[in-house]
Amino acid sequence: EAGVTQFPSHSVIEKGQTVTLRCDPISGHDNLYWYRRVMGKEIKFLLHFVKESKQDESGMPNNRFLAERTGGTYSTLKVQPAELEDSGVYFCASQSGKNSPLHFGNGTRLTVT
Amino acid sequence: GNSVTQMEGPVTLSEEAFLTINCTYTATGYPSLFWYVQYPGEGLQLLLKATKADDKGSNKGFEATYRKETTSFHLEKGSVQVSDSAVYFCALINTGTASKLTFGTGTRLQVTL
Repeated sequence: EAGVTQFPSHSVIEKGQTVTLRCDPISGHDNLYWYRRVMGKEIKFLLHFVKESKQDESGMPNNRFLAERTGGTYSTLKVQPAELEDSGVYFCASQSGKNSPLHFGNGTRLTVT
Repeated sequence: GNSVTQMEGPVTLSEEAFLTINCTYTATGYPSLFWYVQYPGEGLQLLLKATKADDKGSNKGFEATYRKETTSFHLEKGSVQVSDSAVYFCALINTGTASKLTFGTGTRLQVTL
């Protein structure tokens, strides 16, 4: 089966610009997670979708971040406007059921200059 | 709240050396514990896990034992290979938090010939 796919793999934007990250989960996986690793620090949870619904968005840093999962398939994470501290690696993971393992994508490395 | 502390890297070892990466945690309840690995250019992969006290997780020659009394889950391997060079993340999931992982900061391992 195809794994979790993230696009782009790397994005470099200027402060104030907008960037949209995309995650395609494994087909049939209802659970989708976004995580972020900023500058060599710990990987932090951002939010969790169950199908198209946001189950937990407690990790979203502020209202410049908007995540969507229309139709319960792929998900997008938009940062608008981007700030320098948003630089890092954004990981997406999908999961079929509650106690199933998480499958992670390769991540998107975002650099804000 | 939950937290994971792991030793800072980078850790540089010669091939066939013994590896220990320390990990301690703070959590309420009875968390499940994990080690994830990120090889260069790839996403996070589950390396091993343990779901209750005194359980030993093992995979690819790596082992870690869930020690409730010391709140630790140290990763060990008896003889490392160059191909083990990667970043290793200790993580936990607390009961009742779905699959919301709490990660440590990661430890980079570099194995040389």
